[in-house]
Amino acid sequence: QSVLTQPPSVSGAPGQRVTISCTGSSSNIGAGHDVHWYQQLPGTAPKLLIYGNSNRPSGVPDRFSGSKSGTSASLAISGLQAEDEADYHCQSYDSSLSAYVFGTGTKVTVL
Amino acid sequence: EVQLLESGGGLVQPGGSLRLSCAASGFRFSSYGMIWVRQAPGRGLEWVSGISAGISVTHYADSVKGRFTISRDNSKNTLYLQMNSLRAEDTAVYYCAKKAVVGTSGWFDPWGQGTLVTVSS
Repeated sequence: QSVLTQPPSVSGAPGQRVTISCTGSSSNIGAGHDVHWYQQLPGTAPKLLIYGNSNRPSGVPDRFSGSKSGTSASLAISGLQAEDEADYHCQSYDSSLSAYVFGTGTKVTVL
Repeated sequence: EVQLLESGGGLVQPGGSLRLSCAASGFRFSSYGMIWVRQAPGRGLEWVSGISAGISVTHYADSVKGRFTISRDNSKNTLYLQMNSLRAEDTAVYYCAKKAVVGTSGWFDPWGQGTLVTVSS
């Protein structure tokens, strides 16, 4: 049902770099709508991680970075830490649906 | 500190109704759009409804259109979601969130802690 597709899971050892893709279409990401990312720690509410494709709110470590190209976006986590183990969700707007849309969600596991 | 606190969740039978509330503090509530997002058990996030600041224009996901009604009381700094004709597939944690900027490219920050709605006989 989700309009934006993410890999179900990614994993990496502490210190490594992982990336999460968010694939959309010409009616959402490809239409120029911004992509935002949220981190959801186990049992908690989502928290804003990246806004406007690549901007970090104050307090978010610079290990987290976002980018967007064409109909896709990516979230990168460098220097992976145990505390980064969480679910990550991308979000945009879809012009055809006239609705905000979320990605399918990606679980990050720190090995 | 900006805070959002949901309440009103619980167990309801299919076909029943429930009203969720979201109490806001720490910001000028009347000046911001607000949204509801839900997360079914073990699933991803789904935008449910949104309401603008000012003249309170409302929007709904197709899955809830005609059954759910979003509203706000700026004098009480409170957002509501009236849910009627509830179905099993409406079972989820419901979050309210503040829309950061005007327009369709906005993001949501912060989020409340969520309230669980269970639709079951």
